[in-house]
Amino acid sequence: GAGVSQSPSNKVTEKGKDVELRCDPISGHTALYWYRQSLGQGLEFLIYFQGNSAPDKSGLPSDRFSAERTGGSVSTLTIQRTQQEDSAVYLCASRIPGTGGPNEKLFFGSGTQLSVL
Amino acid sequence: AQTVTQSQPEMSVQEAETVTLSCTYDTSESDYYLFWYKQPPSRQMILVIRQEAYKQQNATENRFSVNFQKAAKSFSLKISDSQLGDAAMYFCASRHRSQGVRFGAGTRLTVKP
Repeated sequence: GAGVSQSPSNKVTEKGKDVELRCDPISGHTALYWYRQSLGQGLEFLIYFQGNSAPDKSGLPSDRFSAERTGGSVSTLTIQRTQQEDSAVYLCASRIPGTGGPNEKLFFGSGTQLSVL
Repeated sequence: AQTVTQSQPEMSVQEAETVTLSCTYDTSESDYYLFWYKQPPSRQMILVIRQEAYKQQNATENRFSVNFQKAAKSFSLKISDSQLGDAAMYFCASRHRSQGVRFGAGTRLTVKP
């Protein structure tokens, strides 16, 4: 696609329910990142994929959070037994292969606004 | 793990004046990249400027320039001739090999007419 696509754009759920957030990166982008941004706050790193593997998943806040990526493309972030403190915007970003120069840029999706009631 | 610190939650500048946003980072590696991203109210992240750690020359992009002090692990952003459209959240970020891109907490910049 032309840009990073995230779905749904908004998700309202009840406390204790599981949710799945989807990220469809730009075609050919091998690196994919998930972030969480609470209102007025910075971007909290969650996990980084290179292809289908996750060399850095140190930002996942608890075992309720998991993510996978298949086919080196679409990624799904799953939050189990959601809590009110999980309410935030979840941003996905991708980057083209290689390092240096114009390759060093993240392309962000518009995010999923998650509200846990 | 790499960390990025922005010590100025909010900054204000008069239109046409110059403002500097501060950023420090922590790393044990010699090969890494540093960035400043801008996030306007639309929430879309926009790359402002990037710096490769192996380059001694400070990066510049039109009215935006950085002061990269590698030994001090400091990476500040200078905005010259500030414009109303520069008002936004500014995030400093770093990328190290095999690690995710980490962002600072952000600085909210207000531009006064």
